[in-house]
Amino acid sequence: ETGVTQSPTHLIKTRGQQVTLRCSSQSGHNTVSWYQQALGQGPQFIFQYYREEENGRGNFPPRFSGLQFPNYSSELNVNALELDDSALYLCASSSGTSGSDTQYFGPGTRLTVL
Amino acid sequence: RKEVEQDPGPFNVPEGATVAFNCTYSNSASQSFFWYRQDCRKEPKLLMSVYSSGNEDGRFTAQLNRASQYISLLIRDSKLSDSATYLCVVTSNTGGFKTIFGAGTRLFVKA
Repeated sequence: ETGVTQSPTHLIKTRGQQVTLRCSSQSGHNTVSWYQQALGQGPQFIFQYYREEENGRGNFPPRFSGLQFPNYSSELNVNALELDDSALYLCASSSGTSGSDTQYFGPGTRLTVL
Repeated sequence: RKEVEQDPGPFNVPEGATVAFNCTYSNSASQSFFWYRQDCRKEPKLLMSVYSSGNEDGRFTAQLNRASQYISLLIRDSKLSDSATYLCVVTSNTGGFKTIFGAGTRLFVKA
């Protein structure tokens, strides 16, 4: 067990709706990264938050946004859902942003968009 | 060209075999390198970090060649429990932090 938790575990939405996914980081970790993993693919980096600020972003459109709270937990918000947004969404926490820090993943939220 | 490319797999090997995975990356400014393991319908877990000097952890050996932008993972004496997807991971911090995962290579170890 990594100590990283995510909620909900599964979610079904329809096109055009909005969704919020939540992540609680491991104790002592101040950095959270979010990933999208489509079936049969590796995780794709969405963004990283460090001390409540976005620290880096992958190639995702602005309708993917996030927040980090003072307790270092985080939310991923996706607006105007599209069918291709159906995927496993993973968050990972780490103790810093150096790049060499190990990322510990949560079990993920499986999102289905109909 | 993908930023991180791995052998497409799958690899089907008998128990006891030695298997090697290869990975190349395109960003010469990449900082850190890892191998993660992902079991079916589970989250990725760190297998080992990869250093230019090479590093070994039991049956697993990882190697980084910065000049060739190439990373490898060698598994000796394969066990049934090694069956999983192996993900090559590269981080960079140019223009903001970024982590790039390869698509993964699936390994099946058979009795």
